[in-house]
Amino acid sequence: GAVVSQHPSWVICKSGTSVKIECRSLDFQATTMFWYRQFPKQSLMLMATSNEGSKATYEQGVEKDKFLINHASLTLSTLTVTSAHPEDSSFYICSARDSSLFGGYEQYFGPGTRLTVT
Amino acid sequence: KQEVTQIPAALSVPEGENLVLNCSFTDSAIYNLQWFRQDPGKGLTSLLLIQSSQREQTSGRLNASLDKSSGRSTLYIAASQPGDSATYLCAIAGGTSYGKLTFGQGTILTVHP
Repeated sequence: GAVVSQHPSWVICKSGTSVKIECRSLDFQATTMFWYRQFPKQSLMLMATSNEGSKATYEQGVEKDKFLINHASLTLSTLTVTSAHPEDSSFYICSARDSSLFGGYEQYFGPGTRLTVT
Repeated sequence: KQEVTQIPAALSVPEGENLVLNCSFTDSAIYNLQWFRQDPGKGLTSLLLIQSSQREQTSGRLNASLDKSSGRSTLYIAASQPGDSATYLCAIAGGTSYGKLTFGQGTILTVHP
């Protein structure tokens, strides 16, 4: 089946620093990837839609300058949390949509990245 | 704006029981509906995807149905096992902005031996 990886799986950083999270589709091409955020015991909230070769589309209330998204290739999207603060601590999950004709536009999710800002 | 509700919020059953998880949504103009499983601290595993033109999908002990007119989907799990314990999430891909998923709050399932 389709596999999406995320790196790192967990990261601890100091307040004020920036952290980059990678999302890769390993065996399919994805023109569209999505970034979600999940707080403890809550469901996933979509942060932004990442489109290969163009600017990301952010959901209402998500700061573009704080959460930088780059989708430089058909298999890689990155999320950079800039000037991280403790309130940014969360579980970040990406998904990738199979762009092929037979992909059915199903989304495949990565294993998530646990970010802790101290 | 699509709203997705899952009932019950939590469910605890003995091993071997058949069970039903419910998902309701407010906007019937959907592209597809997916059921996911999430283990604590882990990502999502896709269980079943139902396209808007379909009424049900089956995989092993799992069966998911979709009734767009009433805005409902159910996930049926047969002969539950302790390994089925997890959070089950229902997600809708909207018809007008398909690809974006709106998630329900999830049902926390515990199957005890």
